[in-house]
Amino acid sequence: DVKVTQSSRYLVKRTGEKVFLECVQDMDHENMFWYRQDPGLGLRLIYFSYDVKMKEKGDIPEGYSVSREKKERFSLILESASTNQTSMYLCASSPTSQGLETQYFGPGTRLLVL
Amino acid sequence: DAKTTQPNSMESNEEEPVHLPCNHSTISGTDYIHWYRQLPSQGPEYVIHGLTSNVNNRMASLAIAEDRKSSTLILHRATLRDAAVYYCILRPYGQNFVFGPGTRLSVLP
Repeated sequence: DVKVTQSSRYLVKRTGEKVFLECVQDMDHENMFWYRQDPGLGLRLIYFSYDVKMKEKGDIPEGYSVSREKKERFSLILESASTNQTSMYLCASSPTSQGLETQYFGPGTRLLVL
Repeated sequence: DAKTTQPNSMESNEEEPVHLPCNHSTISGTDYIHWYRQLPSQGPEYVIHGLTSNVNNRMASLAIAEDRKSSTLILHRATLRDAAVYYCILRPYGQNFVFGPGTRLSVLP
C-alpha cells in the first residue's frame, strides 16, 4: 500500500513563528502536493512539485513556501505564521505514470495558530 | 475551472445501494470526472474516475450521462464504513484537482 505520512497530526504555534510541516511518501512518486482544507471552502492547492528541487505555485501560495530536496520528502513552510493560517493541511503524492489521475493523501496536520 | 454541483448531504440505509449525483453542465471534452471520498479524520482517498464510458471497480461504479453533463457514483451496498464526504471533481488531463464542498453521506444502521 502507498503510504503518505505527515510529521504531526496536531500542531499549536504562536503568531510569527516559523512552522515546518513535513510530508514523506514511500512509493517513489514524482509528484507531491500541499493543500489546505477549511470548512465551506473545500481543499485548496497551495504548492506542488513535479520533481526534486522543482516547485510550482498552486491557487493560494501567499504566506507559504516549500522545499523538495529529496524525492520522497516535501516540506511546507510558514515563514511567519498568522492566525488565518489555522487550518487542516493535507499532503498528497501521485505517480506520473498514472497521469496524475490518482492522488494519495496523508492523514493531515491540524494547525492552530494562536 | 469547470464546476460541479452536488447535494450537500444524503442519507442511506446500510446494505442498500446509494446513488450520489453530480451535475457538471459546463464540462469540456478533455475533462475527466473523478470521485474521491474523505472518511472522518482522514485525508481524501481515490474512488473512481472516467471520461466517457461507465466504469466499475471494487469500490464503486461510475455512470456517466451520454451528454456528459452529469454523472452518478453508485455504491452497490452501503456499509457504515462508507459514511464520508464524497467529492465529484472535473479535471482536464494533466492539470490539478479543484475540490468543492462535496456530499456528506450518512449511512444508517
